[in-house]
Amino acid sequence: RKEVEQDPGPFNVPEGATVAFNCTYSNSASQSFFWYRQDCRKEPKLLMSVYSSGNEDGRFTAQLNRASQYISLLIRDSKLSDSATYLCVVNRGFQKLVFGTGTRLLVSP
Amino acid sequence: DTAVSQTPKYLVTQMGNDKSIKCEQNLGHDTMYWYKQDSKKFLKIMFSYNNKELIINETVPNRFSPKSPDKAHLNLHINSLELGDSAVYFCASSQPGLTTYEQYFGPGTRLTVT
Repeated sequence: RKEVEQDPGPFNVPEGATVAFNCTYSNSASQSFFWYRQDCRKEPKLLMSVYSSGNEDGRFTAQLNRASQYISLLIRDSKLSDSATYLCVVNRGFQKLVFGTGTRLLVSP
Repeated sequence: DTAVSQTPKYLVTQMGNDKSIKCEQNLGHDTMYWYKQDSKKFLKIMFSYNNKELIINETVPNRFSPKSPDKAHLNLHINSLELGDSAVYFCASSQPGLTTYEQYFGPGTRLTVT
């Protein structure tokens, strides 16, 4: 079993839709959590950190449930430019990030 | 003014050859990393250096040898290349703080071993 599990998708949604991605992690000692975004043939970039209280950045909302070891990302009012792969990332400590395999999102006109 | 740069961007070589990939960051970060992203897009850490000192060494064949001449540079040398080494190799850097842990990635080096 992978340490960070994500549904690979693809999720095909129309512009303006709301879409949610989920992620589970197996190591309960994981210290901090993130969502990264990776465009096709590009490098990953930090989208947002994920806090226990939940956090929002514009159209993006991230939630963390430590008891269930579950992380989510909600995107509202999807734009064409949101099409990318979203990587769930867990910091296991000692500066070691563990990446999920990503969820691919395709937003169509 | 690129934050994390890698050279070369593409590398095509034959099995058995030795090759190097270079990475430089101008962010003043203390920590640098090498990641491998395979054909299934799985991104996995290989090595991490903090201020020129090795701090993470995942289960990587010893044909892979990182070298950090200074904290702004982390190079990756690969001996006796194999078909399975074909992947995209990303360099990254970070400056861990109390509230954030962003790693900045270079553009990647696409290695093809034939």
